[in-house]
Amino acid sequence: EAGVAQSPRYKIIEKRQSVAFWCNPISGHATLYWYQQILGQGPKLLIQFQNNGVVDDSQLPKDRFSAERLKGVDSTLKIQPAKLEDSAVYLCASSLTSGRLEQYFGPGTRLTVT
Amino acid sequence: DQQVKQNSPSLSVQEGRISILNCDYTNSMFDYFLWYKKYPAEGPTFLISISSIKDKNEDGRFTVFLNKSAKHLSLHIVPSQPGDSAVYFCAALGRHTGTASKLTFGTGTRLQVTL
Repeated sequence: EAGVAQSPRYKIIEKRQSVAFWCNPISGHATLYWYQQILGQGPKLLIQFQNNGVVDDSQLPKDRFSAERLKGVDSTLKIQPAKLEDSAVYLCASSLTSGRLEQYFGPGTRLTVT
Repeated sequence: DQQVKQNSPSLSVQEGRISILNCDYTNSMFDYFLWYKKYPAEGPTFLISISSIKDKNEDGRFTVFLNKSAKHLSLHIVPSQPGDSAVYFCAALGRHTGTASKLTFGTGTRLQVTL
């Protein structure tokens, strides 16, 4: 079974630029999550999708971050414009349904904003 | 507001000995607790979980203990192996907005198992 795929693995941009991350969850997984992990901290949920609908985006900085999962499969997370404090690893995870305990994580995208 | 806390950023244990990783939480509405293991440049991997109605769950070398009155859980690894060297995250699951559930992670403990 293929795992959660993410790209790119690394990205370096200057502040005020924009960036997009892509995630392809495990086949058949209805729930998709985007997390932000800042160095020295645990992952923090940014947004949760159930199929193509948003379940929770309460911690997503909506003035600069956006995410979509148009066909209920893969998803993109965008930051525009980026700030220095956005430097982090962005993790995508998926689970069969929102009620399942186990979330399967991708390898993450390490973003550095200079 | 850190609802899940791992107060030890690092732990070093000799191979063959027991590793004990601790986690404290503040929100009594959490109903499941999970441990994730993370190697460098990889995403976290689910390790073991425990329901709030239990006080112990065991899976091979890994045992998680839950003390609800103290709002404390611990992960025991016996015997520790060099391959266990990783960052371990404690996470708590709380129901919100109906059936949706949200994982809240601690800051992690880096375990190093030495030869």
